[in-house]
Order: sequence, then C-alpha cells, then structure tokens
Amino acid sequence: AQTVTQSQPEMSVQEAETVTLSCTYDTSENNYYLFWYKQPPSRQMILVIRQEAYKQQNATENRFSVNFQKAAKSFSLKISDSQLGDTAMYFCAFTSGGGADGLTFGKGTHLIIQP
Amino acid sequence: DGGITQSPKYLFRKEGQNVTLSCEQNLNHDAMYWYRQDPGQGLRLIYYSQIVNDFQKGDIAEGYSVSREKKESFPLTVTSAQKNPTAFYLCASSVPGQGAFGYTFGSGTRLTVV
Repeated sequence: AQTVTQSQPEMSVQEAETVTLSCTYDTSENNYYLFWYKQPPSRQMILVIRQEAYKQQNATENRFSVNFQKAAKSFSLKISDSQLGDTAMYFCAFTSGGGADGLTFGKGTHLIIQP
Repeated sequence: DGGITQSPKYLFRKEGQNVTLSCEQNLNHDAMYWYRQDPGQGLRLIYYSQIVNDFQKGDIAEGYSVSREKKESFPLTVTSAQKNPTAFYLCASSVPGQGAFGYTFGSGTRLTVV
C-alpha cells in the first residue's frame, strides 16, 4: 500500500516570502503521479500542480514549483512571492497507473500567509 | 458549466439513523469517488466506482454503502453501523485512465450527528 507523509502540520510566513512544503511517499510502483491540492477555507479542493514520475523535469505552474526527488521519494512544493490568497490547507497526493483507483492523501499542511 | 454537485451542504443525523449524501456530475466522467475528511487526517477513500453498476471498497468502507445506477450519480449512504460519522464528505470524479491528470471535486457535505 502507498503512504504519503506531510511532516509540517502548520507553517506561517510573511507575504511575498518563499515557502516550501514537504512531502514524502512510499510505493513500490514505477508508474505513478503526484499532486498538490489546495483547500482554502471554502473547502473546495483545487489542483495546484501535478508531476509524472517518469519525467525528471520538475513541474512548474506560475508561482508554484515542485522539487521531485524520485530516489528519495520526496515531492516538495515551493510557493514563490506568497500572497494572502495562498492561505489554505495543502495536501500532497499520490496515484498509480492510470489513476482509476483513487488518490492517497497526506494529512495536510496548514499554510498561513501573514500580511 | 460542467462540475460536481453535492447536496445538501449541511446535514444533521440522529443516532441510529441512516442518511444519504447526494453526488451528481455532468462531466461525463465514468469514475466517481467518495472521500471522508477529518481534522488532521487528510482525505480517506470510502468507495469508488469506475463504471455503472460496479463499485469497490476503499480504505474505510465499513458503515457506508453506495450505488451506481446512473453514470451521473453516486450517492453515499451513511448507515447506523458507522460509529463516528461526523465528518466532511467529498465526492470526486475522473476519466478512467486519466485520473493521473487530476480529479474534479465537489464542494462537500458536512455531516453532524446530533
């Protein structure tokens, strides 16, 4: 079974700073995908970024980027120039194969951006 | 616009009652999922269905039941056998084989036992 671990229950940074959220996972699969989801106070789940395990290049979406270390089974999220609207719960998630069997989530990191 | 509709947004249940949470999607997705979210626990998979009239248990299926009679609908029943049903419930969908591109989530139902 796959497991996803987020070791930072809560983080707080000042607006405009850069912050990195950590995620490690455990799997014996070779074909898998990793995700970061954002859950703001509205509780709507929003896909932030995704990474295919077979790609060495780290994914980037505007201010969001990942550091994917396959051998170490690490998948951290970096948020640059943080904004007040980035305040939310952030969940790291994993799925294998075509993703039909559902996502496995970490317990989340509550990120607070201070003005 | 296409999306997932969960209803009701808030639901209150008395001890010993069964309740059903609704999940409807108009995305033409074959695969649908139910997750439970508790504080500090992340999201945990309850049941999922990849095709009409078929579904599989997730990690925490005990005390729950589902049906999938239509492609658009995947209702979740929380039975009296569920010992601690108070939680936030999220429904999601994806295209089979393309779940790797991400899932679409509904806005959730908050269930409280009173």
